[in-house]
Amino acid sequence: KAGVTQTPRYLIKTRGQQVTLSCSPISGHRSVSWYQQTPGQGLQFLFEYFSETQRNKGNFPGRFSGRQFSNSRSEMNVSTLELGDSALYLCASSRDSGGGEKLFFGSGTQLSVL
Amino acid sequence: GEDVEQSLFLSVREGDSSVINCTYTDSSSTYLYWYKQEPGAGLQLLTYIFSNMDMKQDQRLTVLLNKKDKHLSLRIADTQTGDSAIYFCAEGGGSYIPTFGRGTSLIVHP
Repeated sequence: KAGVTQTPRYLIKTRGQQVTLSCSPISGHRSVSWYQQTPGQGLQFLFEYFSETQRNKGNFPGRFSGRQFSNSRSEMNVSTLELGDSALYLCASSRDSGGGEKLFFGSGTQLSVL
Repeated sequence: GEDVEQSLFLSVREGDSSVINCTYTDSSSTYLYWYKQEPGAGLQLLTYIFSNMDMKQDQRLTVLLNKKDKHLSLRIADTQTGDSAIYFCAEGGGSYIPTFGRGTSLIVHP
């Protein structure tokens, strides 16, 4: 069974640009969560999608958005990039809503904003 | 709000036992997790324990839960260099998203 796949693996962007990251969950998993990981802040929750609906949202500005497709694949978008958006973005999938469920993580997308 | 705290670094000698500690604040947590992150990779679920349990053992891993003190620990017996990684404690349960600690970097030296 294939694991969680995130693309691209690395991204370099400049301030003001926008970026779209992609996540394909494990087959059969309906919940997809996104996290931002930085050395200073650790792992911070962005949002969670379940059956194409955003069910939970973290404390990030509106520049961060996401969506989920009918096949459970998910994308997240960051507009008007700032230097502080440089981070490892991790996607995780689980069978159900994410509450109390085991999360399976992808390898992440390393975003560098110059 | 919910918070999970763990020490940032732990250094042990190969062959010794490692104990990584974690404290959490949400008493309604029903699951406590330990994840491992190796360089350049995402997090991998190592083990988890239900809040009504005190201990769980899985090969070299032993998880101890003190629910009264909201304290969770992960013991790795016979620590190997391959165990060097960042270990994250997380709490979760019900319908909310797990809260992660900042991670403990375990360094295993010969």
